[in-house]
Order: sequence, then C-alpha cells, then structure tokens
Amino acid sequence: QLQLQESGPGLVKASETLSLTCTVSGGSISSYIYYWSWIRQAPGGGLEWIATKYYGGNTYFHPSLKSRVTISLDTSKNQFSLRLTSVTAADTAVYYCAGPFGDSSARGAYFDYWGQGALVTVSS
Amino acid sequence: QSALTQPRSVSGSPGQSVTFSCIGTTSDVGYVSWYQQHPGKAPKLMIYDVDQRPSGVPDRFSASKSGSTASLTISGLQADDEADYYCCSRSYAGTWMFGGGTKLTVL
Repeated sequence: QLQLQESGPGLVKASETLSLTCTVSGGSISSYIYYWSWIRQAPGGGLEWIATKYYGGNTYFHPSLKSRVTISLDTSKNQFSLRLTSVTAADTAVYYCAGPFGDSSARGAYFDYWGQGALVTVSS
Repeated sequence: QSALTQPRSVSGSPGQSVTFSCIGTTSDVGYVSWYQQHPGKAPKLMIYDVDQRPSGVPDRFSASKSGSTASLTISGLQADDEADYYCCSRSYAGTWMFGGGTKLTVL
C-alpha cells in the first residue's frame, strides 16, 4: 500500500519558483509501469491535473502549464518533485501528489494513491 | 484541450439514485475515471476504465459512457455519499483533464 506525503514551502512570492517534493513509502517509484503525478486544486475550485512522469521516461504536461513545469524523480530518496516557475496568485492552490493505479488489468492510467495535499499560497 | 462539462450540483434523498453526467468531445472521453472528494480530503478513485470499480468501492456506484457523455450513478444514496464528484479523461495526446466537478447533496 503506497503512502504519499507532500512537503515544501507553504508561501511563495510572486514571480518566484514553487518547489514541492512527494515522498513515497510502501513501495518503490522505480518501476517501469509506474507513473507519478501532480494535481492541484485552487481554493473553492476543482481539480486541475498538472503533470505526470513515468519512471520509464515519458512525461506529460498540462498544455497551459508546460512552459513553467518540471517534474522529476529521485530514486535514491524514493521521491518525486514539482517545480513551477514564475508563479502568480493564480497558482495558489492545494497541491496533491498522486501515485498510480496498480491494477495491471486496467487499460488506462489513473490516480489511485494521493498525498494529503499541501497548500501553497502565492504572495505579492 | 477541450473541457469536460459537469453539472455544478445534484441532490437526492437517502435511498434514491442520482446520476452525474460528464460531457466532452469524442477525442477526450476515452479512458474515463471518476473521483469522490469529501471536504478537506484528497480525492478517491471510484471508477476506472469507464465502468470498472476498484476493489472496495461499493457496487452502488456504477458508470457508463455513450458517445461523448460519461455517466456515474449512485444507487441507494447514503449520507456519506455527500461529496464532490469529478470525472477525468485522458486524451489521445496523453494528457489528463478533470471535469469541473459536481457537488452531491444528500437531502
């Protein structure tokens, strides 16, 4: 049973870079079938997928965020990270890290394991 | 990236059935999933591959897709079902998209 936990600054100044780390326990991020994701939720808003990285290499980004987002894996620490540059107030949100759905019979890829969420506020 | 459209709210009484819709383009409504989110909590995967339930999800939850519209039905409504429900789809380009979410109120 995977467990995920986000960590990082809760307050970021506008125009600076938001950095969050997700620590995974209960399993290794180093599996070619696994994929690791970041999803955010603005206050009072809906879910917005940000990016997903497969251990095997493929990475996918939300089209409108692609130019500002980096997602990376650190297998030595069993962590993955999010960097979002040039933040504005619109980036204020609860950021969730999410892990894969482990049913090998599934045809698609889904977000089954979630961290508790980390609120990041962008200040001016 | 086109949108997945969900009604903002749905309500029902205990024991009743409610259905949520998720309308998108044919190119987006592929591998549809549904997530339940209680206030202040992380979302929970309720449906995957359009109509499959993960282990542990009650069979009161069912789903389907017709054309560009996906649907989630909860039968035998219970108080604890009150939550926000999000559909999600992956495009052929490999990106994911969530619908705007539907707030379920159990009367």
